[in-house]
Order: sequence, then structure tokens, then C-alpha cells
Amino acid sequence: DQQVKQNSPSLSVQEGRISILNCDYTNSMFDYFLWYKKYPAEGPTFLISISSIKDKNEDGRFTVFLNKSAKHLSLHIVPSQPGDSAVYFCAASANSGTYKYIFGTGTRLKVLA
Amino acid sequence: AAGVIQSPRHLIKEKRETATLKCYPIPRHDTVYWYQQGPGQDPQFLISFYEKMQSDKGSIPDRFSAQQFSDYHSELNMSSLELGDSALYFCASSLTRNTEAFFGQGTRLTVV
Repeated sequence: DQQVKQNSPSLSVQEGRISILNCDYTNSMFDYFLWYKKYPAEGPTFLISISSIKDKNEDGRFTVFLNKSAKHLSLHIVPSQPGDSAVYFCAASANSGTYKYIFGTGTRLKVLA
Repeated sequence: AAGVIQSPRHLIKEKRETATLKCYPIPRHDTVYWYQQGPGQDPQFLISFYEKMQSDKGSIPDRFSAQQFSDYHSELNMSSLELGDSALYFCASSLTRNTEAFFGQGTRLTVV
């Protein structure tokens, strides 16, 4: 039962354009969401997070949007750079006595120079 | 800034052997998480600890055990290793729950 899904396994974007990575979740108890960037054989690197009390959070080139009614979040990267090429994971947690983050299946982003 | 430290980075073991993976969280972080990532898969939650007590358990085999010590470092003990245990094992830490979790570089375990 995949509670966090990233339906696009891969995405290619031209350098300088916007990259939009999507994530859907099924558990309505999730109230905190994170995005991670991962290179092969390395640990995930934290990018940005958002709490369910917000619908948008911005940090430099990265913006995360949360649509609670649709159980959907997205990560926007503007402008995209070749160094952004990596696998991106969204993750979710529930502030209900649990201590774990559930990861999505990942989207491989390739930014073309 | 200090990050999450995992050791060893690489480990090769034979079937039925045991392995111990270590994790040193970021100072003042009280929560530690362990994840397993197989080839082409997303990280799967194994177990977590909050203030040295086990707080959550995921898809962790009975052959595996873990604990968090008084200095907050954690160890994942794996016994009767199987070929299918070959994976990347990540540790993460956070300043309590529902905050950013930071990951270590991982331990690549290969069981032959």
C-alpha cells in the first residue's frame, strides 16, 4: 500500500525552464511534507518542507505547493540548472504519535543544458 | 555544520553472518530513523527512536534489531544475513518529529 506516490518516474526539462515535480498521498493524517534530492549511492539531501497549515513555502529557487483537499503537493524549481539533475523524493509524516517519514517512489529529473 | 555520520560506508558480508551499522546523529537531535533502500526502490522505513526509546517500527525483519544509546548514537544489528539484505542503509536524525530529517551518506551492505 503506497501511501505516497510520485506518478512520474522521470522528467526532462531544458536548462532555465521550470521543473514541476508532483506527489500525491492517500493518508489524510499526513500533516508535514518534505522534498529530498538524491544522487546515486548518497543519502537524501533535504530541500524544503511544508506544514499542512500552509499551502506554499518558498526557499530560493524551490517552492513547494500543498493542496490538502486534493492530497497533492508539488515542487517547483525555477530556473532549472543542470546540477539539479537527480532523483527527487517527497516524504510525508503524521503528527499523531508516529515517528516516521513515508517516502514516495521518486522522480528522476534531468535538466538538459 | 555537523551532519549525520554513518559507519562503515561499505560492508561486505557472507550469508548467515552478522553485521552492525552505526549512526551518529546531528548534535541535539533526539530522534533517529533507519531506512533501507534496495536498487531502484524508494527508501523503506525500518525503525525509529525518540529519546532512546523505540518509537516506531516499519518493515524490519525479526533478524534485525536496533537501539539508541545514552549518547544518542544508534546501531542496527543484522543477523543471519541473506542475499536480499544487500541494500543501502540510511540513518536520519531530526530535532523531534515533524521537523526536517537529515540523512547520513548511508552504508552499502553487500551480502555474498
